Amino acid sequence: AQTVTQSQPEMSVQEAETVTLSCTYDTSESDYYLFWYKQPPSRQMILVIRQEAYKQQNATENRFSVNFQKAAKSFSLKISDSQLGDAAMYFCAYRNNAGNMLTFGGGTRLMVKP
Amino acid sequence: DAGVIQSPRHEVTEMGQEVTLRCKPISGHNSLFWYRQTMMRGLELLIYFNNNVPIDDSGMPEDRFSAKMPNASFSTLKIQPSEPRDSAVYFCASSLAQGETQYFGPGTRLLVL
Repeated sequence: AQTVTQSQPEMSVQEAETVTLSCTYDTSESDYYLFWYKQPPSRQMILVIRQEAYKQQNATENRFSVNFQKAAKSFSLKISDSQLGDAAMYFCAYRNNAGNMLTFGGGTRLMVKP
Repeated sequence: DAGVIQSPRHEVTEMGQEVTLRCKPISGHNSLFWYRQTMMRGLELLIYFNNNVPIDDSGMPEDRFSAKMPNASFSTLKIQPSEPRDSAVYFCASSLAQGETQYFGPGTRLLVL
């Protein structure tokens, strides 16, 4: 079974600074998808970024980028120029190519200091 | 475009009562998912449908839980009878097709007293 681990329960960052959230996963599959979801206090789950395992290029969405290390089974999220609105829980998730089931990590609470 | 719509947003009920949660997926999406989020267990997939047909309900905790999708634009998750340990946030998500990115609704916060 696949597992997703987020080893940082909480992180904090100064506004305008850069922060990196860690995620590792375990799978025997070679083709799969990885996601980062953001959950603000409203509890809405918002897709931040997605990475296909077959792509070597790291995904980027504006201030959000990932460092995907397939051999190491690592998928970290970098947030540049942090803003107060980035404060939220961040969940890393895995899905294999054939399936529909998302496996989530335990989440990292990000605090942004003004 | 409207996102996934869930109702109610909050539900408080007493143990033993029936609870029905509702979900309207994004128009045109063929796959629908029900998740539960608790502090202890995090986010768990309960069941998912593809083209209104339940595909995998292995995450449904027990027989007290049931889910239906009578048409492409509506699904329900029912708990009967409810218990305090069912207190959680229940999310519905939909995707364009199997294997596509899932988009989540705002969730229903359920409290069973």
